[in-house]
Amino acid sequence: DTGVSQDPRHKITKRGQNVTFRCDPISEHNRLYWYRQTLGQGPEFLTYFQNEAQLEKSRLLSDRFSAERPKGSFSTLEIQRTEQGDSAMYLCASSYYTEMNTEAFFGQGTRLTVV
Amino acid sequence: EDQVTQSPEALRLQEGESSSLNCSYTVSGLRGLFWYRQDPGKGPEFLFTLYSAGEEKEKERLKATLTKKESFLHITAPKPEDSATYLCAVRDSSASKIIFGSGTRLSIRP
Repeated sequence: DTGVSQDPRHKITKRGQNVTFRCDPISEHNRLYWYRQTLGQGPEFLTYFQNEAQLEKSRLLSDRFSAERPKGSFSTLEIQRTEQGDSAMYLCASSYYTEMNTEAFFGQGTRLTVV
Repeated sequence: EDQVTQSPEALRLQEGESSSLNCSYTVSGLRGLFWYRQDPGKGPEFLFTLYSAGEEKEKERLKATLTKKESFLHITAPKPEDSATYLCAVRDSSASKIIFGSGTRLSIRP
């Protein structure tokens, strides 16, 4: 399977704990995106990387959230001191971005429940 | 600021009853309008990219069209397996993030 892979698929954590999610993009894709989605809403942009550089971060993103993409391959998204409002589906997407090719492909997501 | 509005929020059709979903957008220099399908509990599945007004793309029972202000996803003779949420998204001239609408939940009754 050469699609975007996310791990874990589900995570239940207690409020105040730290969690980390991993995303493995499609091989050779130069861009990687993180989105958050709550029930009944479309995906909300969090941040994106071009290779290993983090180029944009949403103004809505709390400083409890941090993302990395070492070596421009897989990426991790960490949430520190989780709150109940962090409960959502966290989606990763990747693209091989060029002037004429701009679509992104999504993984199956990580469902986070904070109790 | 880029904005994507989808209508209706939900649509229930009888099997075989054709219809259209609407996506209105405001963007500074369109660098791509995207349609995705999303099944419950899963990530969005890419369907189409449209780049310029007048462009059309087709896949099975789905056809996407684009004007300067909106896009339509036409579904012809739908089947129950077409039931899903359909998401519209745009990328602007800064070519950075993709902005999504809230989606249309489509339900096809047998």
